[in-house]
Amino acid sequence: ETGVTQSPTHLIKTRGQQVTLRCSSQSGHNTVSWYQQALGQGPQFIFQYYREEENGRGNFPPRFSGLQFPNYSSELNVNALELDDSALYLCASSPDRGPSGLDTQYFGPGTRLTVL
Amino acid sequence: ILNVEQSPQSLHVQEGDSTNFTCSFPSSNFYALHWYRWETAKSPEALFVMTLNGDEKKKGRISATLNTKEGYSYLYIKGSQPEDSATYLCALLSGSARQLTFGSGTQLTVLP
Repeated sequence: ETGVTQSPTHLIKTRGQQVTLRCSSQSGHNTVSWYQQALGQGPQFIFQYYREEENGRGNFPPRFSGLQFPNYSSELNVNALELDDSALYLCASSPDRGPSGLDTQYFGPGTRLTVL
Repeated sequence: ILNVEQSPQSLHVQEGDSTNFTCSFPSSNFYALHWYRWETAKSPEALFVMTLNGDEKKKGRISATLNTKEGYSYLYIKGSQPEDSATYLCALLSGSARQLTFGSGTQLTVLP
């Protein structure tokens, strides 16, 4: 069983540019969530995709957008990059929600984005 | 907005020592509490999902308890080993998207 993978591992961009990060979910998982971890903080929820639709969003501006594809892989796009966008971006996949709705989220290793 | 606090921020213990850290939260407005273990340069790894009925969870030398009435969860490591060195994160599962709200973690270093 393949785990969650993310690409690229590291990325350097300049302020104002746009970036796309990619995530392949674990086999059989149809839900993908994206998190941002700034230095010294815990991961913060950006948004979640369930069966190709956005299913919830955290406190992030519209320049953070996403997509989920029919194979349940996902992209995170960030437009008009700002210095504060420098962070580790994690994606996590989870299987269809069971009756208890307590499914564990399985994380990838993250993409380290540096904005200069 | 859920607020999750973890303490201590960092901890150094000797190999063989037992240790514990705390996750505290002011509200029980969540579905479950998750503990994750995160080694440097690896993916966060799920340790436990704590349900609101408060059952203790155990995996080898690591165990966790949840007290929703008092607003805290403890993670215990018995007989710490160098391979236990990692950041331990707790997170509350809440909201319609079942998203995780994380604390800032406890960084554990076990010295040989």
